[in-house]
Amino acid sequence: KAGVTQTPRYLIKTRGQQVTLSCSPISGHRSVSWYQQTPGQGLQFLFEYFSETQRNKGNFPGRFSGRQFSNSRSEMNVSTLELGDSALYLCASRRTSGDYEQYFGPGTRLTVT
Amino acid sequence: KNEVEQSPQNLTAQEGEFITINCSYSVGISALHWLQQHPGGGIVSLFMLSSGKKKHGRLIATINIQEKHSSLHITASHPRDSAVYICAVATGGSQGNLIFGKGTKLSVKP
Repeated sequence: KAGVTQTPRYLIKTRGQQVTLSCSPISGHRSVSWYQQTPGQGLQFLFEYFSETQRNKGNFPGRFSGRQFSNSRSEMNVSTLELGDSALYLCASRRTSGDYEQYFGPGTRLTVT
Repeated sequence: KNEVEQSPQNLTAQEGEFITINCSYSVGISALHWLQQHPGGGIVSLFMLSSGKKKHGRLIATINIQEKHSSLHITASHPRDSAVYICAVATGGSQGNLIFGKGTKLSVKP
């Protein structure tokens, strides 16, 4: 069974631009969570989706948004990029919202210049 | 104060040594995860615990719910164990909303 895939793997953007990252969960998994990892703050929860509905949102500004499609694939969008948005963005999938085991993707490394 | 604290932050060991990484948390949890992250970023889930002890190969994870403390042990450490080990907790009803420790960077020398 294929693992969690994230595209693109690397991305360089300029301040003020917007970016969309994609996450395809393991086949049959319906829950997707997104996390941001920076050297200063470590790993932080962004949001969680299950069956196309956002279940939880972390403490991030409204510039960070996401969605989930009917095939469970998820996208996250960051608008008006700031230098501080440079980070590794990871997604993780689970079979259901109540399932404990999470499977992480390889991440998308975003650099904002 | 962070809700999830790990110690030590950095750890250097000689191959073959027994290693312990500690995690303390201050919130009520439904599960605790131990994760491994290699250079390059990919994260692998090692254990998920809600009570007791789990073992997988040379890795052992324990949790004491009353003391709000968990440990990850590596027996007979090997250079390939070099990685960052991260403790994360799930609170309340949401298993996808994890609170992470800052991680322990382990380096095992041959």
